Amino acid sequence: DAGITQSPRHKVTETGTPVTLRCHQTENHRYMYWYRQDPGHGLRLIHYSYGVKDTDKGEVSDGYSVSRSKTEDFLLTLESATSSQTSVYFCAISESQASGDNNEQFFGPGTRLTVL
Amino acid sequence: SQKIEQNSEALNIQEGKTATLTCNYTNYSPAYLQWYRQDPGRGPVFLLLIRENEKEKRKERLKVTFDTTLKQSLFHITASQPADSATYLCALSGSARQLTFGSGTQLTVLP
Repeated sequence: DAGITQSPRHKVTETGTPVTLRCHQTENHRYMYWYRQDPGHGLRLIHYSYGVKDTDKGEVSDGYSVSRSKTEDFLLTLESATSSQTSVYFCAISESQASGDNNEQFFGPGTRLTVL
Repeated sequence: SQKIEQNSEALNIQEGKTATLTCNYTNYSPAYLQWYRQDPGRGPVFLLLIRENEKEKRKERLKVTFDTTLKQSLFHITASQPADSATYLCALSGSARQLTFGSGTQLTVLP
């Protein structure tokens, strides 16, 4: 795997509690992404970042916030977790977003989150 | 609305045969299309990228075609092996240059 780690790898929490997932990269790639993957829905983009302190919403951003204070770290926060946020969360990185080369995404190992 | 469809959730083929997976899309004008492989419990891994002005791309036993008129991409694995068993995802670049993923096709290559 490209130098991407996610922590924690597994988490069980209760409805209403805050949760923060961390993505750490050692590739110095500019772009970072958070996806969730659910059966029948595939991967859906939650938020992404195009640089330090530069973030934007994806397709399913409601209930989630992100922060990127350093190139290597991208945090995903569920302010008040709900059962509908039970999912597998993947972080990804890419060097570019242009239609040329180097825009493939490299994924982390995922975090399995269960909200009871 | 924008939609990406990958043929049948599961595809079983015999070892040595060619596997063909389909990705159809509507209401997109992607600049490029990518294919990924995902094994159980792991993140997707990039395989191939094909641009809108390219008809075909090859990499070892893999071949991808891209027909922007039909709004379809075909992904072929020739001389398939049990180790090719995985879920394969197609992903399209959207207007905001973000990737939108299909839900995947689970391929099983039977020995």
